[in-house]
Amino acid sequence: KQEVTQIPAALSVPEGENLVLNCSFTDSAIYNLQWFRQDPGKGLTSLLLIQSSQREQTSGRLNASLDKSSGRSTLYIAASQPGDSATYLCAPNPFGNEKLTFGTGTRLTIIP
Amino acid sequence: GAVVSQHPSWVICKSGTSVKIECRSLDFQATTMFWYRQFPKQSLMLMATSNEGSKATYEQGVEKDKFLINHASLTLSTLTVTSAHPEDSSFYICSARVYQGVSTDTQYFGPGTRLTVL
Repeated sequence: KQEVTQIPAALSVPEGENLVLNCSFTDSAIYNLQWFRQDPGKGLTSLLLIQSSQREQTSGRLNASLDKSSGRSTLYIAASQPGDSATYLCAPNPFGNEKLTFGTGTRLTIIP
Repeated sequence: GAVVSQHPSWVICKSGTSVKIECRSLDFQATTMFWYRQFPKQSLMLMATSNEGSKATYEQGVEKDKFLINHASLTLSTLTVTSAHPEDSSFYICSARVYQGVSTDTQYFGPGTRLTVL
């Protein structure tokens, strides 16, 4: 059974700083991995989808890396802004199966 | 594109009543939809996979007679919480799968439905 851990559980940083969120998963047989953000009381917004054959994926100030063999992914946020404050979830997608297993998330607060 | 809606966005009901939640893909067809439940300060847990025209597949520990799922069309799936009790109070989120090739297999999520059972 896939287990997903996200560290840290919560993070507060001043506006403008760069930061890294970590995700580790126990079963490396994945099809792809997605990073989502969730605002309080809201649904999920997909940020980045990185295929198992890729090592990095970029969208604007966001960069996701994937080391499938070691079961790790990171989400790098450059020049953080108060609007980036949210909970960030990673979800590896197992090979041949669309079921997503979510981590418990990192609650990010950007201090103006 | 790829917008998923849920209705209602929140609902309060008395214990013992049934509540229906709708999940719609607005601008695409989804052969597969998923239902998740999220308790406060916890992550999303998959409840069931809903395929159009067939019975839903429930995850271990989820009572299929309590959480009725109907996927009658390629754009609509419904979740009915039958005889709801306070412990069913949670945030229910649906998603719809889009598959246009191996590089675009992803899920789009609805905004969620907050259920409170008194």
